[in-house]
Amino acid sequence: NAGVTQTPKFQVLKTGQSMTLQCAQDMNHNSMYWYRQDPGMGLRLIYYSASEGTTDKGEVPNGYNVSRLNKREFSLRLESAAPSQTSVYFCASTGTVNYGYTFGSGTRLTVV
Amino acid sequence: SQQGEEDPQALSIQEGENATMNCSYKTSINNLQWYRQNSGRGLVHLILIRSNEREKHSGRLRVTLDTSKKSSSLLITASRAADTASYFCATATGGFKTIFGAGTRLFVKA
Repeated sequence: NAGVTQTPKFQVLKTGQSMTLQCAQDMNHNSMYWYRQDPGMGLRLIYYSASEGTTDKGEVPNGYNVSRLNKREFSLRLESAAPSQTSVYFCASTGTVNYGYTFGSGTRLTVV
Repeated sequence: SQQGEEDPQALSIQEGENATMNCSYKTSINNLQWYRQNSGRGLVHLILIRSNEREKHSGRLRVTLDTSKKSSSLLITASRAADTASYFCATATGGFKTIFGAGTRLFVKA
């Protein structure tokens, strides 16, 4: 099925541990995004990649790094997890700026 | 700070009634989008309206945009229990960023 695939769906980390969230899309979209969703705050942009080979910071980039591995894949890395990074993380993609986003189903991350 | 803010934060209606949600934003936009999110799921794109458009329809959805007031509304007609979800507006201001509001939680009672 065409769309955005995120792995894992759930993860529990201890403070200080690292992990990488994976995202892949099969719609040949140019732009990919990572958002986090916290209760009552909507979605906040962490990083985005306008096209293959480029990445830029969003609203809340601190504590995260990203890699646009190829046109299909865009990963998000937490180098040293903190409890404040407990959230639901969504990956999204779009073909152009005047089209809506396609979202993955999310990764629910808990840092203890 | 968030570009788009939805109003109301929560809305409870009976099945068959219409549901109206509003979104206000602060700066000029290229387009405004509405999304639906069912509990525990990802967001689903509903409709996009460009800054030079005033109204758009898709099935039971009607979206209006008033750029002079920097506001938009989403109308869902003849609501169904399956419409129960959170609805988000998102504004694209240029470049590749789209900023989301905090959402309206809609509950449709059967």
